[in-house]
Amino acid sequence: DAGVIQSPRHEVTEMGQEVTLRCKPISGHNSLFWYRQTMMRGLELLIYFNNNVPIDDSGMPEDRFSAKMPNASFSTLKIQPSEPRDSAVYFCASSPRLAGGPDTQYFGPGTRLTVL
Amino acid sequence: AQTVTQSQPEMSVQEAETVTLSCTYDTSESDYYLFWYKQPPSRQMILVIRQEAYKQQNATENRFSVNFQKAAKSFSLKISDSQLGDAAMYFCAYRSFQGGSEKLVFGKGMKLTVNP
Repeated sequence: DAGVIQSPRHEVTEMGQEVTLRCKPISGHNSLFWYRQTMMRGLELLIYFNNNVPIDDSGMPEDRFSAKMPNASFSTLKIQPSEPRDSAVYFCASSPRLAGGPDTQYFGPGTRLTVL
Repeated sequence: AQTVTQSQPEMSVQEAETVTLSCTYDTSESDYYLFWYKQPPSRQMILVIRQEAYKQQNATENRFSVNFQKAAKSFSLKISDSQLGDAAMYFCAYRSFQGGSEKLVFGKGMKLTVNP
């Protein structure tokens, strides 16, 4: 199993530019999560999907952030326009959503975003 | 809202010794899941161990075990026979069981150093 795949691994961009982060969940998993990790705020859930439908987007910081999951094997997190305070590591995770189970989340390697 | 607290930002242990990482949480729910994740310098978030709150028996995974004290809302991780590869950030996380939410709430993390 290839695990959760994220691209790019590193992204450096200038303030005001559009940034798109990509995620491929583990095959067969039907829940997908986007997290952001910063020194100040730690790990925060931004949004999660179940069966491609957004369930909880209360962590999305503002309208500049948007996420889509057009099919079971692909999701994007877009920031437009980007700002320096968006600099962070962005993780994607997926889980199998087992009935009655702990639904362990499996994380991708993360994308380190730097906005200059 | 649930909160997770890891009060010790850093710890160190000698190789082959035992170390205990502490975690407390706050919740009004009776059923939930608790997790420990490890984040080595590679940034990958790796599941170490998980515990269902309705299970009285403490979870164990090889050298890793937990001391789950539900009444005290405490969930500590014990690492026995510490190895150099155990050096990492360790995060405690809470997941609600009710309402179908899959949201993980993380503590701020603790950096573990293993001295040879």
